[in-house]
Amino acid sequence: AQSVTQLGSHVSVSEGALVLLRCNYSSSVPPYLFWYVQYPNQGLQLLLKYTSAATLVKGINGFEAEFKKSETSFHLTKPSAHMSDAAEYFCAVSENKAAGNKLTFGGGTRVLVKP
Amino acid sequence: NAGVTQTPKFQVLKTGQSMTLQCAQDMNHEYMSWYRQDPGMGLRLIHYSVGAGITDQGEVPNGYNVSRSTTEDFPLRLLSAAPSQTSVYFCASKLTTGSWPEAFFGQGTRLTVV
Repeated sequence: AQSVTQLGSHVSVSEGALVLLRCNYSSSVPPYLFWYVQYPNQGLQLLLKYTSAATLVKGINGFEAEFKKSETSFHLTKPSAHMSDAAEYFCAVSENKAAGNKLTFGGGTRVLVKP
Repeated sequence: NAGVTQTPKFQVLKTGQSMTLQCAQDMNHEYMSWYRQDPGMGLRLIHYSVGAGITDQGEVPNGYNVSRSTTEDFPLRLLSAAPSQTSVYFCASKLTTGSWPEAFFGQGTRLTVV
């Protein structure tokens, strides 16, 4: 069975500082991995996805994530935080493309950006 | 172009009451699904549908029914609400079963069962 662990339910960063959100997964097969963002009172929006092509994936709003098979990780980063990055972020895994909507989500990390 | 529309946005129910959460999409997507979101647990799949007339259970289906009579609509029914069903519910859709899960999510329904 697949599972996702996000380390830290809350992260506080200063505006302009590095954003690092950690995600570790377990999967019995090579996984497909995703990061979603949820702004207050909104639904989820896809930030980026890993689909077994390049291990460094670039997404929207300046975010990127690196797939590291040896560490079973897919951490999300952004070099310089902006106030508009305050949101909750979810890492998710799927074991195959056809099961795409059978996503397994992590518990989420809420990001607070301080001026 | 509305995308995925959920109604109502907020609802308070008494234990034992029934209600239907509505979900509609106008993108001609084949695949629709319902998730519930609880603090610290991310989103968990309740039910999904790969097309009109076809539904299946997800991870946490107990206490919920669905039907898919049209491509556009995918209502979620609570037959006898319980406090454990207090949650935020999201409906999502994507083009086909085999497409990447760049799912479009609705804005959610916040349900409280007292």
